[in-house]
Amino acid sequence: DAKTTQPNSMESNEEEPVHLPCNHSTISGTDYIHWYRQLPSQGPEYVIHGLTSNVNNRMASLAIAEDRKSSTLILHRATLRDAAVYYCIRGRGKLTFGQGTILTVHP
Amino acid sequence: EPEVTQTPSHQVTQMGQEVILRCVPISNHLYFYWYRQILGQKVEFLVSFYNNEISEKSEIFDDQFSVERPDGSNFTLKIRSTKLEDSAMYFCASRNRGQLYNSPLHFGNGTRLTVT
Repeated sequence: DAKTTQPNSMESNEEEPVHLPCNHSTISGTDYIHWYRQLPSQGPEYVIHGLTSNVNNRMASLAIAEDRKSSTLILHRATLRDAAVYYCIRGRGKLTFGQGTILTVHP
Repeated sequence: EPEVTQTPSHQVTQMGQEVILRCVPISNHLYFYWYRQILGQKVEFLVSFYNNEISEKSEIFDDQFSVERPDGSNFTLKIRSTKLEDSAMYFCASRNRGQLYNSPLHFGNGTRLTVT
């Protein structure tokens, strides 16, 4: 049980921002929020993670709600290479993957 | 950038045969994992390994499965007697020692196991 809820799919246009939502209403105080993505025929790839504060890295930004019951992964300018399944995972130690969100990026 | 490497990329075996899937984790990492993904399904946790012993395993990881770190660089998954339902992509992953709970998992690109 991944204990997060994500939309099954989302679509975006190239070079536009993408906001991928995730609900984790039962998150505990010590659980991190992790985002991974899986491109076709590849293994999962780390994107970003955070605990309480918003986080930025070269790939994306992570906005965490004040009550930590939801978060949003932000891709600032989607490219065709960003088309993938995006997984929002909460926890510590081992990661439990859910179904994720299939992101389609249109040229 | 260092990466996790897995060999072979594709393994075909007959039902009942033993297979060994090999992984070379990132060199300074000390926590190792195996996951699998049946075609069209979720990525599923199999086992985690630290300090030369299993730290956690899932229900999938039954007596047919074993893991080993035979030397300082390789991490292997053995399936003793393969079944048709073992057909899947098997992913190895590793993470470094520091900040255990917030260090990223680094995954390999997987071994596709086909059991006929």
